[in-house]
Amino acid sequence: DTGVSQDPRHKITKRGQNVTFRCDPISEHNRLYWYRQTLGQGPEFLTYFQNEAQLEKSRLLSDRFSAERPKGSFSTLEIQRTEQGDSAMYLCAVRLGDNEQFFGPGTRLTVL
Amino acid sequence: SQKIEQNSEALNIQEGKTATLTCNYTNYSPAYLQWYRQDPGRGPVFLLLIRENEKEKRKERLKVTFDTTLKQSLFHITASQPADSATYLCALYLYGGSQGNLIFGKGTKLSVKP
Repeated sequence: DTGVSQDPRHKITKRGQNVTFRCDPISEHNRLYWYRQTLGQGPEFLTYFQNEAQLEKSRLLSDRFSAERPKGSFSTLEIQRTEQGDSAMYLCAVRLGDNEQFFGPGTRLTVL
Repeated sequence: SQKIEQNSEALNIQEGKTATLTCNYTNYSPAYLQWYRQDPGRGPVFLLLIRENEKEKRKERLKVTFDTTLKQSLFHITASQPADSATYLCALYLYGGSQGNLIFGKGTKLSVKP
């Protein structure tokens, strides 16, 4: 069975605050991805894990962003010192066969 | 420069007609191409994958074509229904690209009127 939950679904924060998002696949998946999506755009790749190893980071992932997958199951994405430009939908996905990706519902971040 | 373009930001059609969405790319050599559906406030949902050596793929009312010479994919929904209204995203998976990360287009918003 495949499913991905993300928490929280919505987050409103003030500029300069830190936020952390969580992604929970309901079953084991080796590969887990984070994307960012702004209004009117497609998802943009941020980073990718193979089990607990973070194998690639996009240039979009500035020093203020950090992601972890400590036990190779759930993953967290933290943004430090948030900026208004960080406002977006943050999507988590797991890879199924044939490189099809199964996405979670996303966390919508609004930075005031 | 590398680009993925989905023609038409929005497409409005009448129920029962065939919707045709276009995905063009430049300066990429994709191993395969995927189509996703996205509803407002939700994550994308995988629909179809077509490989570079395949010309056409079908799934129920959906049909995808892939022309690597024209660098274009067409996505068709036949006998469209209002429930098909959503944004449709094409995504390229690249040779030598990162393991499984996809390059997405901006999407085409389809509205099917009853």
